[in-house]
Amino acid sequence: AQKVTQAQTEISVVEKEDVTLDCVYETRDTTYYLFWYKQPPSGELVFLIRRNSFDEQNEISGRYSWNFQKSTSSFNFTITASQVVDSAVYFCALSEANYGGATNKLIFGTGTLLAVQP
Amino acid sequence: DAGITQSPRYKITETGRQVTLMCHQTWSHSYMFWYRQDLGHGLRLIYYSAAADITDKGEVPDGYVVSRSKTENFPLTLESATRSQTSVYFCASTPLPGLAGYEQYFGPGTRLTVT
Repeated sequence: AQKVTQAQTEISVVEKEDVTLDCVYETRDTTYYLFWYKQPPSGELVFLIRRNSFDEQNEISGRYSWNFQKSTSSFNFTITASQVVDSAVYFCALSEANYGGATNKLIFGTGTLLAVQP
Repeated sequence: DAGITQSPRYKITETGRQVTLMCHQTWSHSYMFWYRQDLGHGLRLIYYSAAADITDKGEVPDGYVVSRSKTENFPLTLESATRSQTSVYFCASTPLPGLAGYEQYFGPGTRLTVT
């Protein structure tokens, strides 16, 4: 069965600190996709990144970076020099690729609440 | 450019009542989804639809009914609301049928309270 685990329920940091949000996934498929979504206090879900299982290159986007390691089934998210505006719930999600019947269903982790203190 | 909208945004109803949550998207996306968000569970898939008149169950479908007579609309009905259905409901859509990997676009959510 597919599963996404975000073991960190809440993290609190002080502004300008670096913080890493952990995501561990389980799947039997060899082809799959991983996502991160941000949910700020306003409640909407904001897409951050998608990574497919064949691309293990790390990605950097401004202060955000993602480390994908198939060997440990992890897709961790790092915010460098955190800011108060980064305060949100962050969700990691998994979607399996099922060609000929792909559904794009997302399996979400339980989320990590990040609080950045000024 | 409305994208994906949900109505109502907030709803309070009583146990046993029927309530329908609406979802409308303007992109003509083929796939649409309903999730519920509960503390400690993240988001869980209730139902999804690959196209008009094609729907299927997700992880937590009990107590819910969906329909999709038009591509742009995907209403979710609670036939007889229970307190355990108090939650935030998100509708989502994705543009490319048959291909996994493309991000889902989420609506703003509906906060439902069942008293």
